Amino acid sequence: DVYLVQSGGGAVKPGGSLRLSCTVSGFTFSKAWMSWVRQAPGKGPEWVGLIRSKVDGETTHYAAPVQGRFTISRDDSKNTLYLQMNSLKIEDTATYYCTSSLWLYWGQGNLVTVSS
Amino acid sequence: DVQMTQSPSSLSASVGDRVTITCRASQTIRRSLNWFQQTPGKAPKLLISADSVLQSGVSSRFSVSGSGTEFTLTIDSLEPEDFTTYYCQQITVIPYTFGQGTRLEIK
Repeated sequence: DVYLVQSGGGAVKPGGSLRLSCTVSGFTFSKAWMSWVRQAPGKGPEWVGLIRSKVDGETTHYAAPVQGRFTISRDDSKNTLYLQMNSLKIEDTATYYCTSSLWLYWGQGNLVTVSS
Repeated sequence: DVQMTQSPSSLSASVGDRVTITCRASQTIRRSLNWFQQTPGKAPKLLISADSVLQSGVSSRFSVSGSGTEFTLTIDSLEPEDFTTYYCQQITVIPYTFGQGTRLEIK
């Protein structure tokens, strides 16, 4: 069975930082491209960014609203994906999901609330 | 960015009906379109992936057609569990973009 177990999230003030983690089991994480997707309350999903596998250069891409503030990284030795979120804004409030490159497997989601 | 325009935004139908949801891309995306189903409080569930691949365990009542810029998701013989929200997503061009969703409601 495949599991993507997320941790982190919570409430933070504007300008603050948070780090989300996503630990994977059941497939070869090191070969997978991984993405983060978020969903603001009552809205549709929004792609946040992706990280390629190490063999594909471990390159990252980000959506414009988070470019320069969010960083995606991975630790293949721990089968874990990370999303470091800095300079958080109120509009970053959303449930954040990690997902595999084939979009088949998703984490359970983490609510991030940015509020003063 | 590729804009994905999904229509209708909401749809009322009855159990047993056949419905169609359309997704239009602002530029050609070949056949690189995913369709998701999402129930409240859950992660999106992949129904049909790019190149029209029906995912394991997904009912054959779901089918897709289209390529280029216009795509449709058809659901035959609606069942009670189908009444939820559906999204398309293009995965040709980064940033990957989603349609705004279609809420399927029971009449």
